[in-house]
Amino acid sequence: AQKITQTQPGMFVQEKEAVTLDCTYDTSDQSYGLFWYKQPSSGEMIFLIYQGSYDEQNATEGRYSLNFQKARKSANLVISASQLGDSAMYFCAMRSSGNTPLVFGKGTRLSVIA
Amino acid sequence: EPEVTQTPSHQVTQMGQEVILRCVPISNHLYFYWYRQILGQKVEFLVSFYNNEISEKSEIFDDQFSVERPDGSNFTLKIRSTKLEDSAMYFCASSFRDRPNNEQFFGPGTRLTVL
Repeated sequence: AQKITQTQPGMFVQEKEAVTLDCTYDTSDQSYGLFWYKQPSSGEMIFLIYQGSYDEQNATEGRYSLNFQKARKSANLVISASQLGDSAMYFCAMRSSGNTPLVFGKGTRLSVIA
Repeated sequence: EPEVTQTPSHQVTQMGQEVILRCVPISNHLYFYWYRQILGQKVEFLVSFYNNEISEKSEIFDDQFSVERPDGSNFTLKIRSTKLEDSAMYFCASSFRDRPNNEQFFGPGTRLTVL
């Protein structure tokens, strides 16, 4: 069974600073995908970034990058140049090969301070 | 840009009543999912659906729940007799393929409140 652990219930960051949100995962599968979603106060789930278990390079999408350390089973999200609009809940999720659903962590609430 | 839509955005119902939550997945997607999120908690998988049948379901998805794709575009979640603990945000998601690297596109959610 897969498991996602997000140990930071809440984080604060100064506007324009970078912030790292932690995510560790547990799986016995060799092929899997890791995802980060943003959930603003309005409630929708917004896809941010994806990292495949066989990808050799860390994924990047604009201001988002994923620090993937396979041996440590960690997939931390790095947000550079934080903006006030980045304040939201952030969920790390994974799924393995085959017809498996996404498994989510408990989330980290990020607050960006002006 | 294509998106998953869900109706209604908010549903209030009395305990014991039946509710149907509706979703329109992205048109060329083949895999459909329902997740729920109790307030302040993590998102939990309910059920996945492919080729007009359930492909996987969680322990949460008991006999009170059912899903249907009645007309080739809508994907519905029915709760037969709602309980207070069914109050949650319900998300529909869809994907084109069912591979680890395929993004599941989420709808905006339906907030269900059971009184």
